[in-house]
Amino acid sequence: DIQMTQSPSSLSASVGDRVTLTCRPSQSISSLLNWYQHKPGKAPRLLIYAASTLQSGVPSRFSGSGSGTEFTLTISSLHPEDFATYSCQQSYISPFTFGPGTKVDVK
Amino acid sequence: QVQLQESGPGLVTPSDTLSLTCTVSGDSKSNYYWNWLRQPPGKGLEWIGYLSYSGSRSNNPSLDSRVTISEDTSKNQFFLRLTSVTAADAAIYFCARGEFFDAGTPNFYSYGLDVWGQGTTVTVSS
Repeated sequence: DIQMTQSPSSLSASVGDRVTLTCRPSQSISSLLNWYQHKPGKAPRLLIYAASTLQSGVPSRFSGSGSGTEFTLTISSLHPEDFATYSCQQSYISPFTFGPGTKVDVK
Repeated sequence: QVQLQESGPGLVTPSDTLSLTCTVSGDSKSNYYWNWLRQPPGKGLEWIGYLSYSGSRSNNPSLDSRVTISEDTSKNQFFLRLTSVTAADAAIYFCARGEFFDAGTPNFYSYGLDVWGQGTTVTVSS
């Protein structure tokens, strides 16, 4: 299975900050990487698919980049509703695997 | 707007079978893949498997011998059955709709989960 790592595991930030999260698969996965937002008690939300394509309805302050073995999710200006955990998922090879997540909390 | 809702017992006895239901509302089940995932306490998500609109199935090999995903199209529901549960199966279980998104290269698609349920917590204890 492809192992997914994310860094940092958590970060503290303020509203308005630019935040960059990193995801690294254990082998190259081309651009087959998706990002999700998780909040306790709520349905997870697909933010970005295929590394850089914004899912419909997702604000443009979210962006994704990368290919191969390094990917980033950037939030250009953190909004109050963006405090959450973010995970990445590879779809290059089944079984589809997820990273452990990066928790973004209030500084 | 499509919505998914998981339901099932919150407590399962070790060695018993876990059975969960996902009810899909607001959409027909055509052209999508219907997934189960789980998240053990303090860990990342684990994909369990899917049942496609065409009836094909794919499971995580780590769970394949214990997992059955089935459906009742008349009720717009799909189901997870996990046999011989242990404490390691305690988790929040999610159902989700999957599809293959165009990755921008011909015949290249990224499989993503675009609609999720809120999850249901399953505890394994005697």
